[in-house]
Amino acid sequence: EAQVTQNPRYLITVTGKKLTVTCSQNMNHEYMSWYRQDPGLGLRQIYYSMNVEVTDKGDVPEGYKVSRKEKRNFPLILESPSPNQTSLYFCASSLDFPYEQYFGPGTRLTVT
Amino acid sequence: GDSVTQMEGPVTLSEEAFLTINCTYTATGYPSLFWYVQYPGEGLQLLLKATKADDKGSNKGFEATYRKETTSFHLEKGSVQVSDSAVYFCALTGTGNQFYFGTGTSLTVIP
Repeated sequence: EAQVTQNPRYLITVTGKKLTVTCSQNMNHEYMSWYRQDPGLGLRQIYYSMNVEVTDKGDVPEGYKVSRKEKRNFPLILESPSPNQTSLYFCASSLDFPYEQYFGPGTRLTVT
Repeated sequence: GDSVTQMEGPVTLSEEAFLTINCTYTATGYPSLFWYVQYPGEGLQLLLKATKADDKGSNKGFEATYRKETTSFHLEKGSVQVSDSAVYFCALTGTGNQFYFGTGTSLTVIP
């Protein structure tokens, strides 16, 4: 089944404790992206990747890192999480830009 | 810069009512336009898309037409069902290989 998977689905952590949210797609897609969804703000793009080893900042990259060492994986790293990073995070992939994206199920992160 | 402005919600309709959710955009160049739907507890799913001016996207009874002259991509459905209750997002492809989303419109359909 073609899909985008994210892990974990739910995470509660404390300020400053490094964490990684994994994202994987099995569709051989070139383009991958991370978003955060906040009430009243919709989805905002954090980082995106056009291909392996190519990543670029979106609109809200501060406090996040990403890497794209393999085509299928695109992990999101929070090196020192803060409470303002409490949010719902989505990973997405598409065949290429500007084709439609396929979204993962989301990761709800709470930073206390 | 590139942006999407969506009709504020929430929207509550009775079953079989007509639905319109307004979406206008600001973009340089010629963006592709999308409507995504998010059901409770799930990720976003593509509902329909249009890639050039005057294109009409359609799916599951929903339609939207890419209007370059009014920079709009309004979502419509002639007769909504309870199962259409969800959050709807308008989105576009912007400069710099980025996607831009609206704030979402929550729709509740009551029997």
